[in-house]
Amino acid sequence: DAGVIQSPRHEVTEMGQEVTLRCKPISGHNSLFWYRQTMMRGLELLIYFNNNVPIDDSGMPEDRFSAKMPNASFSTLKIQPSEPRDSAVYFCASSLRHRNTIYFGEGSWLTVV
Amino acid sequence: AQKITQTQPGMFVQEKEAVTLDCTYDTSDPSYGLFWYKQPSSGEMIFLIYQGSYDQQNATEGRYSLNFQKARKSANLVISASQLGDSAMYFCATANNNDMRFGAGTRLTVKP
Repeated sequence: DAGVIQSPRHEVTEMGQEVTLRCKPISGHNSLFWYRQTMMRGLELLIYFNNNVPIDDSGMPEDRFSAKMPNASFSTLKIQPSEPRDSAVYFCASSLRHRNTIYFGEGSWLTVV
Repeated sequence: AQKITQTQPGMFVQEKEAVTLDCTYDTSDPSYGLFWYKQPSSGEMIFLIYQGSYDQQNATEGRYSLNFQKARKSANLVISASQLGDSAMYFCATANNNDMRFGAGTRLTVKP
């Protein structure tokens, strides 16, 4: 079975550019999560969706960040404009709501220079 | 929101020995889940074990067991018979509904 699929795996971009990270959750899962991991702050929950609806976006750092889930099989996390402090690994994860396990993608490694 | 504390930034263990990784949490929710994930140097997050707050028995998964002490809000991970491949970061997490929060992690190094 395919796991959570993220793209791109690695991206280097210049400050000020728009960055779009993509995620395909596990088929049949109805909850989707975006996390950010940095050395300084560890793993932070940015936002999560249930049935394509954003439930909690309190972790989104600022207005430069936005996330969408137009359908059950696709989500994007967009940063516009990007800044060097956005450099991190961004994980997408999915789960079947009310089940016990959240499955992570392999992460998108973003460097903003 | 939940708060998760992992007090051990790094731990060392001799191969084939057992090791306990500490985790305490703070939540006001009566119903929650406790999780441990492993993150090797390659970066992926690997689910290890789950414990529900109402589960009476400690969870076990192969060489992993969770020492759950609800009154103390403690959910320590015990790895028995450590292997070199166990060297990784280990994250404790709690979840209420689908709001999952992670601790800062413990880096485990298994020595041959």
